[in-house]
Amino acid sequence: DTEVTQTPKHLVMGMTNKKSLKCEQHMGHRAMYWYKQKAKKPPELMFVYSYEKLSINESVPSRFSPECPNSSLLNLHLHALQPEDSALYLCASSHIGWGGDEKLFFGSGTQLSVL
Amino acid sequence: AQSVAQPEDQVNVAEGNPLTVKCTYSVSGNPYLFWYVQYPNRGLQFLLKYITGDNLVKGSYGFEAEFNKSQTSFHLKKPSALVSDSALYFCAVEAGSYQLTFGKGTKLSVIP
Repeated sequence: DTEVTQTPKHLVMGMTNKKSLKCEQHMGHRAMYWYKQKAKKPPELMFVYSYEKLSINESVPSRFSPECPNSSLLNLHLHALQPEDSALYLCASSHIGWGGDEKLFFGSGTQLSVL
Repeated sequence: AQSVAQPEDQVNVAEGNPLTVKCTYSVSGNPYLFWYVQYPNRGLQFLLKYITGDNLVKGSYGFEAEFNKSQTSFHLKKPSALVSDSALYFCAVEAGSYQLTFGKGTKLSVIP
């Protein structure tokens, strides 16, 4: 299994809603990432978990809350989002942790629309 | 600081012709360089990477890239383009900061 699975594929939420994005991989990877991607733009790093511990937080607003329950799962909890948060949210994983030569395996993303 | 530039927003090429997608980088140390491809409504897929060694790197789907230190370039190439190669291509660099920096992307359109 060489896939990173993200659910849901699409999500529409209001600014007062609470929702969660989920990501799962069974490749034994020990680093997992959340990226945000606006249309026709490069992905922007949000969070990095290495060995289930948050190692990088790119000054992301607190309305985004990551969680790594175990080495295979990564969640992104959303609360009180703004319309400008509408984007494709990508999960990724890599083999042994955050290292410069690691290739990333990406999921297909969750397309989020905030109304 | 590290950065990567993809000077072309879009590249058009006829099917069967060779293709080149350009990338230049700026780093203060030795770079790790990557190419990723993104098909519509999908995540990014790894194509190839340069870490060290041979300047010509071969990757997935017949793509290759040449690392040129003097020109600080890492152009993606393929000898014969397919319509199915049409996608968004991202060059990325990491050079000691443990953060992967992506270029803005180049849309490749292969015309039948």
